[in-house]
Formats: sequence, structure tokens, C-alpha cells
Amino acid sequence: DAKTTQPPSMDCAEGRAANLPCNHSTISGNEYVYWYRQIHSQGPQYIIHGLKNNETNEMASLIITEDRKSSTLILPHATLRDTAVYYCIVRVATSQGNLIFGKGTKLSVKP
Amino acid sequence: NAGVTQTPKFQVLKTGQSMTLQCAQDMNHEYMSWYRQDPGMGLRLIHYSVGAGITDQGEVPNGYNVSRSTTEDFPLRLLSAAPSQTSVYFCASSPLLPRQGLYGYTFGSGTRLTVV
Repeated sequence: DAKTTQPPSMDCAEGRAANLPCNHSTISGNEYVYWYRQIHSQGPQYIIHGLKNNETNEMASLIITEDRKSSTLILPHATLRDTAVYYCIVRVATSQGNLIFGKGTKLSVKP
Repeated sequence: NAGVTQTPKFQVLKTGQSMTLQCAQDMNHEYMSWYRQDPGMGLRLIHYSVGAGITDQGEVPNGYNVSRSTTEDFPLRLLSAAPSQTSVYFCASSPLLPRQGLYGYTFGSGTRLTVV
């Protein structure tokens, strides 16, 4: 599975959009981009995933560049409860492959 | 629907003791796995299973054993605990193939283990 690069930390004001970047320049054509988050040592929580089209669900939006070498997770109206570590992971969706976690981005939402 | 249940939530062991961390899921997921997370670090894969009777090693398998006799349960055994195994342990499950409306892994709430 391709490796990812994320900034170690980011701040965001409450109510503003949080934009979390991820670089995955070695991504293969059949690898998806997944996002998880971990709130204060709880188990990680699945957020969203995509292949090449932009995706949106009730939690977030995922924007993937046309060359698929990077992506951005968008939390449209960040709340204090969104303070967490966010992990960007690329993997083949239908394989027996495992989730390989990096260190993620620590997002701090401030009042 | 309880999802992934891990027991116990907290445990203190003495060096050399053995114990089993329990993980159960009620979603009929084929895939199950164990991760450990040390302070300030991401999760590292210990062992995983793609179905009953099938297990394999992950990134950090030494000192741990697993078995998968049923689809629902995937216990993690520490044979002789060492202080280096002090960590938070997470169990996760997933369908092997993405199904309609089912995506991603479901994680348990973790077991916090201290070895003294």
C-alpha cells in the first residue's frame, strides 16, 4: 500500500471549515484514499473514502486531485468535538490488505 | 447491534504473567485484526485474520498469539508479559469485500494494558 504524508498538527477556529491535506504521490490506480479519526485515545472512527471522484457524506467531504497524488479532507463547520488525530490511509479496497496507520494530523479546534 | 466489544477495558499485569485480551464482533465480518498504540504513536498491526481458522502476522507479532475458531471471536494472547507490551490494544473488524452501505473498519474501544 502507498505511503502518505500529513502535517503533524493544525488548528482551526470553531465554526470554520477545517481542511486537512494528505500527500500520496505513489498511489496506485486501484488504491482508495481512506480517512479515519481518533478522538482522545478512543478507537479510530471511519470518516470517508474515495477513489478519484470527490465524495461527501454527513461527516465530511473528500477532495482528490485529478492526478490522485494528494487529497483534502474537509470538515465544513468544525466543532470542539472534532478535535482529534486524523489519519489518511491508502489501500486496495477489495484486498486482504491491512490498514497501515501513520502518525496522522492532530487537529485542534479552538473556540 | 454492539459492534466490536473488547474486554477487559483496563488490566495490570506483572512481568511474566500471561493473559488473553478478548474481542468479539456481531456484524458477521470476515476480517478481524489487533493493533497496539503506544503514547504519541499511530496504530501498529499485531495479527490479523481473514476468516475462521486463518490467521497471519502483522508488523509487530512477537510476544503475541492469536486464534480464530469462530467468525465472531478473535482473542489475543500474551504468553509472558513484558514491560515493553504496555500499550493500548485495539481490535477491529471489517467485511472482506465492501458491501452496499458497509465501508471501513469498525474498532473497539480498546484495552489499556500496563505491565509492571
